[in-house]
Amino acid sequence: GAGVSQSPSNKVTEKGKDVELRCDPISGHTALYWYRQRLGQGLEFLIYFQGNSAPDKSGLPSDRFSAERTGESVSTLTIQRTQQEDSAVYLCASSRNSRGTGNTIYFGEGSWLTVV
Amino acid sequence: GESVGLHLPTLSVQEGDNSIINCAYSNSASDYFIWYKQESGKGPQFIIDIRSNMDKRQGQRVTVLLNKTVKHLSLQIAATQPGDSAVYFCAEGAGTALIFGKGTTLSVSS
Repeated sequence: GAGVSQSPSNKVTEKGKDVELRCDPISGHTALYWYRQRLGQGLEFLIYFQGNSAPDKSGLPSDRFSAERTGESVSTLTIQRTQQEDSAVYLCASSRNSRGTGNTIYFGEGSWLTVV
Repeated sequence: GESVGLHLPTLSVQEGDNSIINCAYSNSASDYFIWYKQESGKGPQFIIDIRSNMDKRQGQRVTVLLNKTVKHLSLQIAATQPGDSAVYFCAEGAGTALIFGKGTTLSVSS
């Protein structure tokens, strides 16, 4: 695709339910990132995938959060037993290679999650 | 610890003026810096980046300046237009992930 694609664009869920958010990176991009953005705040790093290397999960806020990526394709961010404080925009981004080489990181439009 | 901040949370300018948005970072090991623009309801949009071996880089109507001595980054927008109204984030990288600041809201009035 032309850009990073995320789905769903909006999700309202009840407290305690599990949610899955999907990210399709730009074709050919080996690096994939998930960030969280609370209303009026900056972006919080969650997790980073680079090719077949072990992901950097250092930003995941709790064990209720997990993410998977198969090869260099789609990634899924899963939040189990959602809480109201999980309400935020979840942004996915991708880059052609490791960020360390300075490759441009492109963001999707985000998945807006509201936990009621 | 690592942190990226912006000096002003909001900046209001008149159309046609030049805008300067500032950013301070604390990690001297950071080697890559990016400015993003985020419009309401949208994802961050890449504006311009700069490596630590440079002190200035220019794009279309935008210039990024990097002062490693005082760990300061700035974004200059020439001839600011109403369409430039958005939240601007700087981000720094020294490892795997980019670290973002809270953002500066730029408001452009006609």
